[in-house]
Amino acid sequence: EAGVVQSPRYKIIEKKQPVAFWCNPISGHNTLYWYLQNLGQGPELLIRYENEEAVDDSQLPKDRFSAERLKGVDSTLKIQPAELGDSAVYLCASSLGNSPLHFGNGTRLTVT
Amino acid sequence: DAKTTQPPSMDCAEGRAANLPCNHSTISGNEYVYWYRQIHSQGPQYIIHGLKNNETNEMASLIITEDRKSSTLILPHATLRDTAVYYCIVSRNNQGGKLIFGQGTELSVKP
Repeated sequence: EAGVVQSPRYKIIEKKQPVAFWCNPISGHNTLYWYLQNLGQGPELLIRYENEEAVDDSQLPKDRFSAERLKGVDSTLKIQPAELGDSAVYLCASSLGNSPLHFGNGTRLTVT
Repeated sequence: DAKTTQPPSMDCAEGRAANLPCNHSTISGNEYVYWYRQIHSQGPQYIIHGLKNNETNEMASLIITEDRKSSTLILPHATLRDTAVYYCIVSRNNQGGKLIFGQGTELSVKP
């Protein structure tokens, strides 16, 4: 089966610019997750979707971060405006219910 | 969620078994032990999980002590491609994705 697909793989932007990341989960996986991974740390959950509904966005900094999963399939995570501290790897994962998570390879964001 | 303790790093010779320990002394009765690994520049990869019984799949074996306070992930014949950070996580199923990955163990498999 095809895995979780994320794009772009790398992104370099200047601070205060907007940026968007895209994720296509494994076909049939109803649950989609966005994680943030800082260098040398484990991933931390930003938001979880059950189909098209964001059921847990408590860790998402809503002043500058937004996400959507309009048709309950692929998803977009946006940052506007980006700050230097947002430099990190943004990971997307999906699962079918409570099955183990499948992760994409992430988008490495560098904010200069 | 129960917290886990893992050694920060380990070495293993290629072809030998890699035994990665994890302590989870405060684990609750309904919490599973999950293992994920993360190869450099890739996302985490699910390996195996278990509740009470030992588990084996095509990737690894998971040995959980009878009191469930610790576990060991065994890679029976480590290869260079097994070099990665290995995360031991305890969770009630997926815990809604709020898996606490911790620092993990950096396993280096050497020729």
